[in-house]
Amino acid sequence: ETGVTQTPRHLVMGMTNKKSLKCEQHLGHNAMYWYKQSAKKPLELMFVYNFKEQTENNSVPSRFSPECPNSSHLFLHLHTLQPEDSALYLCASSLLAGLEETQYFGPGTRLLVL
Amino acid sequence: QKEVEQNSGPLSVPEGAIASLNCTYSDRGSQSFFWYRQYSGKSPELIMSIYSNGDKEDGRFTAQLNKASQYVSLLIRDSQPSDSATYLCAVIMFNAGGTSYGKLTFGQGTILTVHP
Repeated sequence: ETGVTQTPRHLVMGMTNKKSLKCEQHLGHNAMYWYKQSAKKPLELMFVYNFKEQTENNSVPSRFSPECPNSSHLFLHLHTLQPEDSALYLCASSLLAGLEETQYFGPGTRLLVL
Repeated sequence: QKEVEQNSGPLSVPEGAIASLNCTYSDRGSQSFFWYRQYSGKSPELIMSIYSNGDKEDGRFTAQLNKASQYVSLLIRDSQPSDSATYLCAVIMFNAGGTSYGKLTFGQGTILTVHP
């Protein structure tokens, strides 16, 4: 596998369910990101991890819980979500979380909350 | 005021023409600017990055940055139907601590359609 991979690609869950999204990067990068892309809204940063440490939480509700066990893997744990959380969730990585670092995106997980 | 603003379009140009995409940003301290292309149902892919005032060319693409006017643009020469996509402008701004931690702020995107 190359680049940034995400699983699952599609997920349907009820509001009482608990699920997790997984992201893996094969680029030797040290920074990883979660983004949310909703219809009619700009792509929105959720979390930033740099060398496994969370450096940014963009006022994300606690029903979204990130985990970064190492620089290659990033998880987003979901619980008691709301229908308005339905969106495309994108993972990205970059060499460092810096000013001039290009972020490379995975294919995304399309989430539907019923 | 939106932090990164783009005309949502759609922008329609004929094949072979020049497509001009524009973006303005609110944070005068912004340092890094990126253009991503996103095909329908796909994830964004980087086209160009630009960090200093002036033009930067890569094949059919030219990015232009004017920090004084807080304006960045993307020109696509000899537009092809395969260029039809949403183009996202993204900016790294400094946070309150004076560091960016890679925080990309995106515009809403401009839909480009290139018709044969």
